[in-house]
Amino acid sequence: RKEVEQDPGPFNVPEGATVAFNCTYSNSASQSFFWYRQDCRKEPKLLMSVYSSGNEDGRFTAQLNRASQYISLLIRDSKLSDSATYLCVVNIMDSNYQLIWGAGTKLIIKP
Amino acid sequence: DTEVTQTPKHLVMGMTNKKSLKCEQHMGHRAMYWYKQKAKKPPELMFVYSYEKLSINESVPSRFSPECPNSSLLNLHLHALQPEDSALYLCASLDRATGEQYFGPGTRLTVT
Repeated sequence: RKEVEQDPGPFNVPEGATVAFNCTYSNSASQSFFWYRQDCRKEPKLLMSVYSSGNEDGRFTAQLNRASQYISLLIRDSKLSDSATYLCVVNIMDSNYQLIWGAGTKLIIKP
Repeated sequence: DTEVTQTPKHLVMGMTNKKSLKCEQHMGHRAMYWYKQKAKKPPELMFVYSYEKLSINESVPSRFSPECPNSSLLNLHLHALQPEDSALYLCASLDRATGEQYFGPGTRLTVT
């Protein structure tokens, strides 16, 4: 079983729709959680951290469910520019500073 | 300044060449990383440096040799690479307080 699992997609979504991704993690010692966005042939960029109480940044909402060990990302009113790969990242904050990456979910927003 | 810089942006090298990739950050982050990324795959961890000491080597072949000369710089020395080593090489640094990682733009390496 992979340490961090995501549905690879692609998710083909019409512009303006709402789309949600989930990511599950296996290490219960995981302490911090993130969503990164990666455009084709570019580096990953931090989209948002995920806080225990859930957090929102404009059209983006992230949730954490520690009991079920998953995090989610909701994108409302999707734009063409949201097309990208969304990667879930988990940090167990140990002395090795190793982050565990999901394989990413590809999102395609269609006009 | 939340920038991580990498040079060169692109590199083409033959299998007998020796080259180096460079990475720099001035955010005071004391953990730095090298990742390798192939098309349509997530970044694959190669090395982690913590306080300028190598803390993780993910069984990377010795033709890749990392170096951390100081807290701001990270190098990756390349020698006798294979065509399958062609990939995007990403450098990152970690804000230990938040756990957030910041990436450089990467070096796109082609081995001929």
